[in-house]
Amino acid sequence: KNQVEQSPQSLIILEGKNCTLQCNYTVSPFSNLRWYKQDTGRGPVSLTIMTFSENTKSNGRYTATLDADTKQSSLHITASQLSDSASYICVVQGNTGKLIFGQGTTLQVKP
Amino acid sequence: EAGVAQSPRYKIIEKRQSVAFWCNPISGHATLYWYQQILGQGPKLLIQFQNNGVVDDSQLPKDRFSAERLKGVDSTLKIQPAKLEDSAVYLCASSPGAGIGYGYTFGSGTRLTVV
Repeated sequence: KNQVEQSPQSLIILEGKNCTLQCNYTVSPFSNLRWYKQDTGRGPVSLTIMTFSENTKSNGRYTATLDADTKQSSLHITASQLSDSASYICVVQGNTGKLIFGQGTTLQVKP
Repeated sequence: EAGVAQSPRYKIIEKRQSVAFWCNPISGHATLYWYQQILGQGPKLLIQFQNNGVVDDSQLPKDRFSAERLKGVDSTLKIQPAKLEDSAVYLCASSPGAGIGYGYTFGSGTRLTVV
């Protein structure tokens, strides 16, 4: 069964600290992996999209990594800000075109 | 570029009542999606349109949910009659096409509470 599992389920960090969110997937065949940020009461917004051949991609303070061999991805947030408080969703697109969503990691950044 | 517009933002109804949600995608986007997102979970695809045709509605509870995209532009999603378990955020998204690699743009969603 095609699945996307994220960890941790929730995370609290202090402003200015770094953090890393994890995503494991079993989707096969695999086309690309996306990370989305979803603020409370808003729709998901794309942060990064990586294909099979890409190992890392950055978007400002967000850096995503992908290991297609182990089917693992991570999202690293550097120097966190209060505005980083949100849910982060890992999404895998298979060769059918369908998006398979993880359940998300809820990040809370405290001052 | 204007985003995906959805209305209303919030809706509270009693069980067994009906409700409708509206979505206006990004201009020129051929593909439109409706997702259901229950609190604490990732979005679940309800229906996918390519222009005004249905591509995938395999997870749409067709006994109570219906959707249409007349003229291939905006779309409505209807629930009739609503159940308590339909309480969720209903997200509309659009993309230029349905193939691999297209970016999705999501609306802010409609939060439905069924009491």
